[in-house]
Amino acid sequence: EDQVTQSPEALRLQEGESSSLNCSYTVSGLRGLFWYRQDPGKGPEFLFTLYSAGEEKEKERLKATLTKKESFLHITAPKPEDSATYLCAVQAPNTGNQFYFGTGTSLTVIP
Amino acid sequence: NAGVTQTPKFRILKIGQSMTLQCAQDMNHNYMYWYRQDPGMGLKLIYYSVGAGITDKGEVPNGYNVSRSTTEDFPLRLELAAPSQTSVYFCASRYGTGGPYGYTFGSGTRLTVV
Repeated sequence: EDQVTQSPEALRLQEGESSSLNCSYTVSGLRGLFWYRQDPGKGPEFLFTLYSAGEEKEKERLKATLTKKESFLHITAPKPEDSATYLCAVQAPNTGNQFYFGTGTSLTVIP
Repeated sequence: NAGVTQTPKFRILKIGQSMTLQCAQDMNHNYMYWYRQDPGMGLKLIYYSVGAGITDKGEVPNGYNVSRSTTEDFPLRLELAAPSQTSVYFCASRYGTGGPYGYTFGSGTRLTVV
């Protein structure tokens, strides 16, 4: 069964046009939800970890939030250099060291 | 610090050939992982290790083997390559299983089996 679902698959924004990416998960007893950024031809780069509903983390133009069933990555006034694929991953209890990754949202910011 | 270093970056294999993907980290991380990434699919865990001498299977281990003789190195062995193993392979490491820190990933190995 799908543990992590990300939407939309792709998003095109004009520079300065704010939006949000969604990550919904079905695991219970979440041990952590992680956001990564992946540039073409490179490995994912860690952005944030969220642990409990109501938690928020910020970094420059990015803000991640968490509810009991989903997480949002809000992008405020994006710039072209924010173009990348954003991946979400969850760590569930009793899964050893397994993280479940979503398929990502490909973000393109047009100048 | 170099972080996580993977070699080679690209490789083409013929069906039935074998190869080893190399992974080394210099952060003294205990936990190391191998993932594969296919188009339209999330990263899938192949094998992981919690320390030198200890390895375990992930979600998609068939056709692969690993070893962990040192803290720094975690090579992935492909025996009898098949077209289904065409993928991008990422090695990652992490200090522990808890805490706020995610994985540190290498830059990947793009493997094509023909």
